[in-house]
Order: sequence, then C-alpha cells, then structure tokens
Amino acid sequence: NAGVTQTPKFQVLKTGQSMTLQCAQDMNHEYMSWYRQDPGMGLRLIHYSVGAGITDQGEVPNGYNVSRSTTEDFPLRLLSAAPSQTSVYFCASSYSQGTYMGALFRGYTFGSGTRLTVV
Amino acid sequence: SQQGEEDPQALSIQEGENATMNCSYKTSINNLQWYRQNSGRGLVHLILIRSNEREKHSGRLRVTLDTSKKSSSLLITASRAADTASYFCAVDGSNYKLTFGKGTLLTVNP
Repeated sequence: NAGVTQTPKFQVLKTGQSMTLQCAQDMNHEYMSWYRQDPGMGLRLIHYSVGAGITDQGEVPNGYNVSRSTTEDFPLRLLSAAPSQTSVYFCASSYSQGTYMGALFRGYTFGSGTRLTVV
Repeated sequence: SQQGEEDPQALSIQEGENATMNCSYKTSINNLQWYRQNSGRGLVHLILIRSNEREKHSGRLRVTLDTSKKSSSLLITASRAADTASYFCAVDGSNYKLTFGKGTLLTVNP
C-alpha cells in the first residue's frame, strides 16, 4: 500500500497563476481532507470530503476549490495564487465515523506534504 | 478557530526523562488524537482516545482524557533523542472535522 500520495513535493508559483495539488489514497478511505501548515499556526483545515461527490469547507477555504469525483482522489485547486498561500499543504484520509465506530480505527493517514511558494 | 491548544509550546529534556504535554479543547468530542511530526515531514498518528475512555497506553506513550475539564495529556516515558519532534493534539468532533492545535516542540538532549 502506498498510503496517501501527494504531488508535487515542491512548487513555486507566480502571483495569479493557477495550479492543482494532487492527493491520492489507496486505502478505500471515505474521508479526505486538506490542511495548510504555517509557522506558529499549526494545521488549519481547508476543505474536506466525507465521500465521492461530497465536499465541505473547513476553517480557511477562501482561495481554494476542491472536488471529489472518485474515492481515491481529492485534488486541491488554487485558482489565482497569492503570496498569502505560501505554505506547506497536507492531505489526510481516514475511514468515516460511521465505519470506524465498530472497527479498529487507526487515526488519520497523512501525505508527506507539498511545499508551495508564491512569489 | 482551532480546537486544541497544546501546552507548553516548547519542552526541552534530557534523554531518559519523561515528557508531558497537555491539550485543552472547547467543545464536545468523539475522540482526541495525538500526532508526531518530525522536521519537514508529514504527521504520524500516535494514539487515539475515545470520549468514553479516561486513559490509554501504547508502548512508552500514556494518554489521559478528562472530558469534564476538556483536557488531555500525553506522557512519553524514558524519552530518547529520536523522540525529538513536534507533537500535536487533534480533536475529532461530531462534524467530521479533525482540528489541530499549534503543537508542542519537544527536544530530547542526548
């Protein structure tokens, strides 16, 4: 099992450019989420999804779009990059609460991150 | 706003000593989780404690949960240099959102 795979690992964008951060998991997890991590701020939730076709906003959704067409993939799109979006982005996945309540729940699995710089 | 708040922000100890980190949160929870992050790496799940549990052990880790005080603690016994990392608590509420604190930076000196 590869777990949660994020690509690219590093990216430099110019202000106003768009790009998509990729996230894929091979564990058949229903729940997927995106976080950003900034120095001194911990991890903040951007968007999350509880299953294919269902997404919702987290704590800091502005400037980001997501979609979930398959169980495996949960891409994060920056439509017009801004310097304030310079950060490290993490994707995570898990079983939904309804699945794990009667099963052995091992927490959330995180990808290795994408370090994004917007100049 | 972030649910979990860790205390202290930084902790420096000698190898072999115990390390204790605390987490406070604001609302009701399904469970509370602790994660470790080595510098420049992703987060690794350490341990989960459900809202109806009071204490849980995993190897050298001991987690307690006091729902009346909305607080949790993580104890790492007999620490090693390899335990040097940032530790985060994360609160799993009833709305499918896992929210993190800002973390405790633990340094274990050889």
